[in-house]
Amino acid sequence: EVQLVESGGGLVQPGGSLRLSCAASGFNFNNYWMTWVRQAPGKGLEWVANINQDANERYYVDSVKGRFTISRDNAKSSLYLQMNSLRVEDTAVYYCAAGGGFLVDYWGQGTLVTVSS
Amino acid sequence: DIVMTQSPDSLAVSLGERATINCKSSQSVLSSSNNKNYLAWFQQKPGQPPKLLIYWASTRESGVPDRFSGSGSGTDFTLTISSLQAEDVAVYYCQQYYSSPITFGQGTRLESK
Repeated sequence: EVQLVESGGGLVQPGGSLRLSCAASGFNFNNYWMTWVRQAPGKGLEWVANINQDANERYYVDSVKGRFTISRDNAKSSLYLQMNSLRVEDTAVYYCAAGGGFLVDYWGQGTLVTVSS
Repeated sequence: DIVMTQSPDSLAVSLGERATINCKSSQSVLSSSNNKNYLAWFQQKPGQPPKLLIYWASTRESGVPDRFSGSGSGTDFTLTISSLQAEDVAVYYCQQYYSSPITFGQGTRLESK
């Protein structure tokens, strides 16, 4: 059974940092693109970033470029999102997702990030 | 960026009746190299992550009931639920995965009448 389990969310002040993690199991992590998608409270879905199997291709939505970094550790079947200079508008549930290329097949349950003073 | 626009924003349909949701992209998501439309549909129920229903515009994901179907090409797409069931009440999103940034429609809230 495919499992994606996010962790690392919480309350942080504006300008602060958080590192999200996603532990994957039940599929060959090394063969999949990995993606972060977020959803602000009561709002729609927003793609944040994705990374290819070898980590030599990474893409970001403009609003997080220069502040967020996506990375992966294939040996640990884990995905990460380092979030710096956090803003109030970054408040959202952050989902880890896996798929072939840019298509997302599998989703985690999400972790809530709240940016507030 | 490719902008995805869904219509309507919300929809109320009687159980057993047909539901139709439209999605329009600001530019074509049809690849000339493989003749595939890079368009997916997701279903999201309250408190749950999205679930992939349809990809390549019309291919049903494994395990998805056949009352769900997708159609369209280029810039105009449709998700149809042939006979609405109570468990289909949810928010539906289209998504283009043709180019970065990946973009979603704003969502359509489907309710039962």
